[in-house]
Amino acid sequence: KAGVTQTPRYLIKTRGQQVTLSCSPISGHRSVSWYQQTPGQGLQFLFEYFSETQRNKGNFPGRFSGRQFSNSRSEMNVSTLELGDSALYLCASSLGRGASTDTQYFGPGTRLTVL
Amino acid sequence: GQQLNQSPQSMFIQEGEDVSMNCTSSSIFNTWLWYKQEPGEGPVLLIALYKAGELTSNGRLTAQFGITRKDSFLNISASIPSDVGIYFCAGHFVGANAGKSTFGDGTTLTVKP
Repeated sequence: KAGVTQTPRYLIKTRGQQVTLSCSPISGHRSVSWYQQTPGQGLQFLFEYFSETQRNKGNFPGRFSGRQFSNSRSEMNVSTLELGDSALYLCASSLGRGASTDTQYFGPGTRLTVL
Repeated sequence: GQQLNQSPQSMFIQEGEDVSMNCTSSSIFNTWLWYKQEPGEGPVLLIALYKAGELTSNGRLTAQFGITRKDSFLNISASIPSDVGIYFCAGHFVGANAGKSTFGDGTTLTVKP
């Protein structure tokens, strides 16, 4: 079965622009979570979507938003980009049933560079 | 919020040596996970632990879910050059918060041939 896919893999933007990243989960998975990974802060949870609704949210400013479509594909958007937004953005999918065995599987990530 | 302390931060070992790393938490988790990440890729799941006291192996890897549910360790036996990477522990809860994992800062493993 195909794994989690993320597009694009690499992105270069300038400060003030906005960006949209896309994630397609593993077939049958209904939960999609987004994480930001930076050398200084490690892996930080952004938000989780399940059945087109945001179910969990991390401690990021409102410039970071997301959505999920009926086919479970998800997008995240960052508006008014800042230099500090440069990071690897990872998407993870899971069945979303909330069981202890509900393990997250990660995509390869989108490397965002803000100049 | 929850904090995961992962140690050591980095390890430099000779091929063939055994490796041990661990994570401790200020909170109880229902599930402990160990991932490996290589440059330019997302984390890949190595081992998932679901019950306190559980000991699980995956080839040369062995991990345990601590009895207190606040800690876990990962052992790699007879290391080889392809073990190089960053190893992360992660914990999550059941229920509506299952989609929100908390990660350790990672252990960077270097294996010298």
